[in-house]
This record gives sequence, structure tokens and C-alpha cells, in this order.
Amino acid sequence: EPEVTQTPSHQVTQMGQEVILRCVPISNHLYFYWYRQILGQKVEFLVSFYNNEISEKSEIFDDQFSVERPDGSNFTLKIRSTKLEDSAMYFCASKAVDEQFFGPGTRLTVL
Amino acid sequence: QQQVKQSPQSLIVQKGGISIINCAYENTAFDYFPWYQQFPGKGPALLIAIRPDVSEKKEGRFTISFNKSAKQFSLHIMDSQPGDSATYFCAASQVSGGYNKLIFGAGTRLAVHP
Repeated sequence: EPEVTQTPSHQVTQMGQEVILRCVPISNHLYFYWYRQILGQKVEFLVSFYNNEISEKSEIFDDQFSVERPDGSNFTLKIRSTKLEDSAMYFCASKAVDEQFFGPGTRLTVL
Repeated sequence: QQQVKQSPQSLIVQKGGISIINCAYENTAFDYFPWYQQFPGKGPALLIAIRPDVSEKKEGRFTISFNKSAKQFSLHIMDSQPGDSATYFCAASQVSGGYNKLIFGAGTRLAVHP
């Protein structure tokens, strides 16, 4: 069964450093998403991406965040200058029609 | 108006019992209501989803009941098993817009005791 994959599974970084989280969505999906989940809290929408551009973003997704689909398979989330409060699980999701399939997540720890 | 309210926060059920989790929403433009199951350290996995044109949908031991006029929907897990112990999230979105970001509830931590 096709699945969304994410790398790395855990990323530790120093405050102020840049991080890139990578995702490989399911191959025939056209809509891509990033969500985050702070430990013990609900899953929050960050951004949606369709046809090589951002279709919607939340207020969390400020100028420090960017997304890119550099080739036909990868979908990346970049945080330019990480803050302590960026520590969370980051989930990538993709969909073809209605159902969004989530990846296993990347745990980002900012020290 | 974008919020989805979920209750209870935690739930303990005996093996074989019925687990019931409730959600309420405000935005009448929502037209897709999925339930996700999440195990520790894993991503959310879709359990079952419903559209507002039906009042109930059943898949195996999992049933969604939907009340459009009350703007509420619930998940029923029949014959609950210890393997069902996980966190359950309801969500809502507007698929008619195409991009359908999911708005999640706060989650319910279910523990099924043997």
C-alpha cells in the first residue's frame, strides 16, 4: 500500500539554525500539506500546496517558513531561523480526492 | 468559527464496552468529517469519514453518527479492544474548496482495559 514518507524521523537543532524537513507524498496525489503537533496538543494546519504554489497558509506559517516541491517526488518544509517554540512533530500529508494520508512525522527539537 | 470541539479529553472503557467520543463544529460550510486514530510516535491514520448527506456510517466496529441540525458528530467504537487504546481526533474540512485543510479537535485519549 502506498504511503507518505518523511525524513528525518528526529531532528535536533540549535535555536536560530535553519532546518529542512522532507516528505515524499503518495505518487499520484496532487494536494500536499504540512501540519504540526506540539507535544500533547492537537494537530494544527500549517500550509497547503497545489499546482506548485501555496493555496492556503495558517497564521503560524510566517515568513520563517517556506515550502517547496523541488522535483516530482519531494515536498519540503524549511524553517529559516528556528525558535524554541518550533519544537513539535511535523506531519506531511497528501491527498488525491478527499482523504488525507499522513506521514509518520518528524520530531523537531530546538535547543 | 473554525474550531472543532471534542469531548471527552480522556476515556477509560472496559474490554468489550462501547467507546463514545463527541465533536461539535460551528462552520456550516464544513462538508467532510473524518476521524483519525493516532498511536504514540505515529502519524494520524484515517479511521472513518462521513459527508453531511448521511446521518450514520458504519465500518466494522466503528460508527460515525452525524447530526447536521445540531452540528455534532460522534464516533462509536463497539466491542472496544485493548488494541484500540490510542488518541482519537475528529476533524472537519470544506472539500468543496478543493484544498480542504483539516481542522482538528483537541483529541481523546482512549484506554481500553482488559
